Amino acid sequence: NAGVTQTPKFRVLKTGQSMTLLCAQDMNHEYMYWYRQDPGMGLRLIHYSVGEGTTAKGEVPDGYNVSRLKKQNFLLGLESAAPSQTSVYFCASQWEGPQHFGDGTRLSIL
Amino acid sequence: GENVEQHPSTLSVQEGDSAVIKCTYSDSASNYFPWYKQELGKRPQLIIDIRSNVGEKKDQRIAVTLNKTAKHFSLHITETQPEDSAVYFCAARTGAGSYQLTFGKGTKLSVIP
Repeated sequence: NAGVTQTPKFRVLKTGQSMTLLCAQDMNHEYMYWYRQDPGMGLRLIHYSVGEGTTAKGEVPDGYNVSRLKKQNFLLGLESAAPSQTSVYFCASQWEGPQHFGDGTRLSIL
Repeated sequence: GENVEQHPSTLSVQEGDSAVIKCTYSDSASNYFPWYKQELGKRPQLIIDIRSNVGEKKDQRIAVTLNKTAKHFSLHITETQPEDSAVYFCAARTGAGSYQLTFGKGTKLSVIP
């Protein structure tokens, strides 16, 4: 039972490049979330999903897109990366109880 | 939307002393309050949580208290140890019918041996 798995763990991009972060969970959770964590800012919600095929905007959605084609996977896309998107990205999944987090993806945009 | 304030932002205590971290929330409909511990470079991990129908919950050296009237909740760590050093986040479940969490900005706890 792996819980929540995020890939990749680290990535360096140039401004304007695109990429997709993958989150996979094996707990059959309905709800999944993408957060970004910046120093002194806590965890801020980017997008979330309440089930397969559904997505919704969180607190800081601009510059990101998401898809939930399968219940176990939640993808976060950056279409044109900007230096302001340098951050640590965490995925989480949940069903009724607490949210369970992945190990994070450290993303640097040069 | 929900707003969660967390204080202090940094806290240093001597090993063996107690540590208290406080959070306030704005949405009176919030009904679930978890606390997460995040060690350097690691994922946030749940350490304790409390629901709005309970005033206090304990788990060994960790306790959480909730005051619904004042809309604040606190984390208490007794007999602190160096391994308690980490960043602690409080959170509140945002309103009725939603499982979203709004997080405080975190408290960096340092336990001095």
